[in-house]
Amino acid sequence: DAKTTQPNSMESNEEEPVHLPCNHSTISGTDYIHWYRQLPSQGPEYVIHGLTSNVNNRMASLAIAEDRKSSTLILHRATLRDAAVYYCILRDVGGADGLTFGKGTHLIIQP
Amino acid sequence: EPEVTQTPSHQVTQMGQEVILRCVPISNHLYFYWYRQILGQKVEFLVSFYNNEISEKSEIFDDQFSVERPDGSNFTLKIRSTKLEDSAMYFCASSRLRAEETQYFGPGTRLLVL
Repeated sequence: DAKTTQPNSMESNEEEPVHLPCNHSTISGTDYIHWYRQLPSQGPEYVIHGLTSNVNNRMASLAIAEDRKSSTLILHRATLRDAAVYYCILRDVGGADGLTFGKGTHLIIQP
Repeated sequence: EPEVTQTPSHQVTQMGQEVILRCVPISNHLYFYWYRQILGQKVEFLVSFYNNEISEKSEIFDDQFSVERPDGSNFTLKIRSTKLEDSAMYFCASSRLRAEETQYFGPGTRLLVL
């Protein structure tokens, strides 16, 4: 799976939007962009994924650059419960079974 | 909402002992996975399992590890002779279809080898 680059940490205030960036300049045409998060002392949790078009679900939105070399996970209104490590992972449908987790972005939410 | 469950939540064992970590995947899922996370480090893939056999395994998954689906609901990870460096959180995950890609993780078992 292709490599992603994320900031080590970000800080935001409660009830404000959060934009978590991810760079994936070596993305291939068949790589899906997945986001997972890991709350403290819990297992990873699926957030959202997309291929080319922007995606929305109840948890977040995913904005994908036109050239697909970067993407942004958007939490529209952060709560304290959103404090977690967020992982941006590229997944080729024909690639390996296992998810390759990087270090992710540690999101800190200030009350 | 269906979820992956794991037992026990914590396990303490002596070096050299065998441990079995148990998981109940989501009922209509066909692919099962084990991951581990050593304290302060990344989540690492160990093995995937489909149709009653290992689909893929990582370099970490050596001969001391084995997986089994002993009945229609449980999925187990056995560590034959534990080492100090096996101390970690072990996460089970499942997915409905390999192609669907979304994996659902359990809460983990914290293994401490003394």
